[in-house]
Amino acid sequence: KAGVTQTPRYLIKTRGQQVTLSCSPISGHRSVSWYQQTPGQGLQFLFEYFSETQRNKGNFPGRFSGRQFSNSRSEMNVSTLELGDSALYLCASGNQGLAGEQYFGPGTRLTVT
Amino acid sequence: LAKTTQPISMDSYEGQEVNITCSHNNIATNDYITWYQQFPSQGPRFIIQGYKTKVTNEVASLFIPADRKSSTLSLPRVSLSDTAVYYCLVLSGGYQKVTFGTGTKLQVIP
Repeated sequence: KAGVTQTPRYLIKTRGQQVTLSCSPISGHRSVSWYQQTPGQGLQFLFEYFSETQRNKGNFPGRFSGRQFSNSRSEMNVSTLELGDSALYLCASGNQGLAGEQYFGPGTRLTVT
Repeated sequence: LAKTTQPISMDSYEGQEVNITCSHNNIATNDYITWYQQFPSQGPRFIIQGYKTKVTNEVASLFIPADRKSSTLSLPRVSLSDTAVYYCLVLSGGYQKVTFGTGTKLQVIP
């Protein structure tokens, strides 16, 4: 079985721009969750989608949004980028969601200049 | 406790048992603790999960004491390949609150 894939792997954007990151879950998984990882704040939960519905949301501003498609693929969008948004963005997929085993992708490294 | 905290780093010799503790607010009896392992330039990898007092699988054990204010990941007989950062994930408040621990960098010494 193919693992979780994330595209692009690396991205450089300018402050004020917007960005869309993509995550393809493991086949058959209906839950996709997103996380931000930075040296200063560590790992932080962004949101979780299950069967196209946002089921859980972390404590991030409304500039961070996401969606899930009928094939379970998910996208995350960040608008009006700030320097502090520079981070590794990870997505994970699973059968049961946050209360089950989650499989993480390699992440997208976003640099905001 | 405002944050879910872990020791910053630990060193262990090969073959020893390692216990990593995650300190958090007291959690309900059906709130979950999950432990992940992360190598450089990779996403975290699932190790073990549970909500009961003790859970064991083929690679680790998870202990949650009666006061449920902490949890401990136990790795029996570590090897050099276990050198990594370990994170606890606390799922509480009816699965509405998702909090990662601060991470513990484990260095296994030959």
